[in-house]
Amino acid sequence: GQQLNQSPQSMFIQEGEDVSMNCTSSSIFNTWLWYKQEPGEGPVLLIALYKAGELTSNGRLTAQFGITRKDSFLNISASIPSDVGIYFCAGRKNTGNQFYFGTGTSLTVIP
Amino acid sequence: GAGVSQSPSNKVTEKGKDVELRCDPISGHTALYWYRQRLGQGLEFLIYFQGNSAPDKSGLPSDRFSAERTGESVSTLTIQRTQQEDSAVYLCASRGGSSEKLFFGSGTQLSVL
Repeated sequence: GQQLNQSPQSMFIQEGEDVSMNCTSSSIFNTWLWYKQEPGEGPVLLIALYKAGELTSNGRLTAQFGITRKDSFLNISASIPSDVGIYFCAGRKNTGNQFYFGTGTSLTVIP
Repeated sequence: GAGVSQSPSNKVTEKGKDVELRCDPISGHTALYWYRQRLGQGLEFLIYFQGNSAPDKSGLPSDRFSAERTGESVSTLTIQRTQQEDSAVYLCASRGGSSEKLFFGSGTQLSVL
């Protein structure tokens, strides 16, 4: 099935650094969601975005719904070791009920 | 319940056997999804249920895969004559009403020997 292009595929950063990752698609989406998944667990919802241009924060996390509606960005400020995990974007088009998922960004934070 | 519950958490089976995976969605959530996640990969859509509407089965990879849901409650995903390539984590998610927020269970890790 269709998947969203997510980059980077992996990141190794020092504790305290900021992180940016993005998700792009050839299709227009009405909803963008960002998830974090830790080993042995299901994805946990971090942020939901509903309108083009929307900027939403959740603690140190900030996500934006791209103006073109074909992309979204997630930023993590002042990273800490517990930020380690795989981050997935997900989007839903204006037709149908499927949520399409990105390929994931694996984040490693070095103390 | 408070969250999406899946069982079993782990299932080891022999090639050719049938398996049944269970999902209990969040109470009151009308929409239920099944996804498959292979090791190191993203999430692959399998099937979607919405209330009493006909399910969207467009993601099921073969006729060995089927799923049922009783009303707006429990769902079971059945894989017949399992193959080694079926080994993966099977994730269930639910969504309530007009909400766009999808909530996941912890998944069932299926290993086919």
